[in-house]
Amino acid sequence: AQKVTQAQTEISVVEKEDVTLDCVYETRDTTYYLFWYKQPPSGELVFLIRRNSFDEQNEISGRYSWNFQKSTSSFNFTITASQVVDSAVYFCALSEWGDDKIIFGKGTRLHILP
Amino acid sequence: EAGVAQSPRYKIIEKRQSVAFWCNPISGHATLYWYQQILGQGPKLLIQFQNNGVVDDSQLPKDRFSAERLKGVDSTLKIQPAKLEDSAVYLCASSSTSEQFFGPGTRLTVL
Repeated sequence: AQKVTQAQTEISVVEKEDVTLDCVYETRDTTYYLFWYKQPPSGELVFLIRRNSFDEQNEISGRYSWNFQKSTSSFNFTITASQVVDSAVYFCALSEWGDDKIIFGKGTRLHILP
Repeated sequence: EAGVAQSPRYKIIEKRQSVAFWCNPISGHATLYWYQQILGQGPKLLIQFQNNGVVDDSQLPKDRFSAERLKGVDSTLKIQPAKLEDSAVYLCASSSTSEQFFGPGTRLTVL
């Protein structure tokens, strides 16, 4: 069965600090996709990244970076030099290769304090 | 490019009443999804359409929930009758490839 675990329910950091959001997943499939979404207070889910299981290279996009480690079934998300606008709920998610169905974790609520 | 539109944004009803939500996907997107997001949890897929056909409705409580996408564009999700545990945000998403684009959601409160 597929499962996504985000152990951190809520995190608060002061602006400009770095913060890492943890994600651990379970799947029996050898091929799958991993995602991160951001949900600001407006409620809309914003796509951040999709990574396929063949590509374990870390990715950096501006202040955002992702660390994918198959050996530990983790796909962690780091925000560098956090800003107040980063305050949101962040969801890690998983889908099987060839299946549009996305399984979401419970989310981590991130508060960036000014 | 216009995003996924949903209405209403908020709805408050009493238990046992009926309610309907509307979704207009991004133009040209063949696949449409309805998710239920209960407070403090991640979204859970209720139903997936490919054009006007149902691909997956395994997690839709069919005794009270129904959804349709008659012309392969807009979709409606209905709950009849509503229960207290149906209080949630109902998100609509659409996709043309593998990336799903989400609407702002409809927040339903059942009293």
